[in-house]
Amino acid sequence: ETGVTQSPTHLIKTRGQQVTLRCSSQSGHNTVSWYQQALGQGPQFIFQYYREEENGRGNFPPRFSGLQFPNYSSELNVNALELDDSALYLCASSLWASGQETQYFGPGTRLLVL
Amino acid sequence: GQQLNQSPQSMFIQEGEDVSMNCTSSSIFNTWLWYKQDPGEGPVLLIALYKAGELTSNGRLTAQFGITRKDSFLNISASIPSDVGIYFCAGPSFNFGNEKLTFGTGTRLTIIP
Repeated sequence: ETGVTQSPTHLIKTRGQQVTLRCSSQSGHNTVSWYQQALGQGPQFIFQYYREEENGRGNFPPRFSGLQFPNYSSELNVNALELDDSALYLCASSLWASGQETQYFGPGTRLLVL
Repeated sequence: GQQLNQSPQSMFIQEGEDVSMNCTSSSIFNTWLWYKQDPGEGPVLLIALYKAGELTSNGRLTAQFGITRKDSFLNISASIPSDVGIYFCAGPSFNFGNEKLTFGTGTRLTIIP
């Protein structure tokens, strides 16, 4: 186990709704990254949070947003859900220090949009 | 953008066989990572490579960082049932100070009884 936890484990929403996914980072880690993994694909980088600010973003629209809290936990929010948002959402925590940070992944939240 | 292509896409082997898979990139990476993902789980880091030409082992797993820095190889010796899963290569990109990981397309390993 990596010590990274995510909630909920599964979620079903309908198109147009909004969703919030949560991630608790491993103890001592200050950086959280979020990834979207569609079925049969590798994870795709959404964005990263460091010191409560967005620190890099992948090719995702603004309806994907996030937060990081003082305890380094994080939320991923997705507005106006679309069918293609159905995927496994992974968060990974790391310690921003030397530039060779290892990212430890949580088990993911599986989102189904109907 | 950067793309990582893995081959083969899937492998069907018998227990005890050795496995080889590779990953190629359209651009240079300064670090190569190999992850394994079990069903319903997040990826778990197996091996990290930090220098071109580096050969690193982790138990029955051996990985190499290609000299051109555009490829990497993962070998598994004497496969066992718990090796089943999807193997991903990944490379970090240093953009604006962050460490975004770009993942490959994955190699699915199945062991035939």
